[in-house]
Amino acid sequence: EPEVTQTPSHQVTQMGQEVILRCVPISNHLYFYWYRQILGQKVEFLVSFYNNEISEKSEIFDDQFSVERPDGSNFTLKIRSTKLEDSAMYFCASGRGLNTEAFFGQGTRLTVV
Amino acid sequence: GESVGLHLPTLSVQEGDNSIINCAYSNSASDYFIWYKQESGKGPQFIIDIRSNMDKRQGQRVTVLLNKTVKHLSLQIAATQPGDSAVYFCAEGGYGNKLVFGAGTILRVKS
Repeated sequence: EPEVTQTPSHQVTQMGQEVILRCVPISNHLYFYWYRQILGQKVEFLVSFYNNEISEKSEIFDDQFSVERPDGSNFTLKIRSTKLEDSAMYFCASGRGLNTEAFFGQGTRLTVV
Repeated sequence: GESVGLHLPTLSVQEGDNSIINCAYSNSASDYFIWYKQESGKGPQFIIDIRSNMDKRQGQRVTVLLNKTVKHLSLQIAATQPGDSAVYFCAEGGYGNKLVFGAGTILRVKS
């Protein structure tokens, strides 16, 4: 069964450093998403991506964040200068279309120290 | 602002009993709803979805009910098993390209 894969599973970084979280969405999906989940809290939307551009983003997704689909299979989230409050689980998801089920990866746990 | 929330943060049920997890939503314009299951250390796993033109949808051992009059969504799990223990999130669509998640309900299944 096809699945969304994310790497790494755990990333520890020092405050102020740049991190890139990587995702391989399901191959025939057209919509790609990043969500995050701070420990013990609900899943929060960050950004959606369609047709090689951002289609929607939340208030969390400020200038420190960027996304890229560098080739036909990868989808990345970059945080330019990490802050302590960026520590969370980051989930990549993909879907076939608008308002259809989004399939989530297993997440990358980002710890900023 | 609009939000999706859950009535019960923790639900404990005996193995074999039926479980009902509830969710309230506030945006009457939402037209798509999903239930996700999240086990410890894993990503949300799709369970079942429903569109606003329906009031009930059944899957394998799960049923989702939608009451648009009172903006209420529920997930029923029949014959709950230990493997059903997880956090359950409802999520609301219709905001374009994003899902708005509720706070989550912990389901604990006692053997």
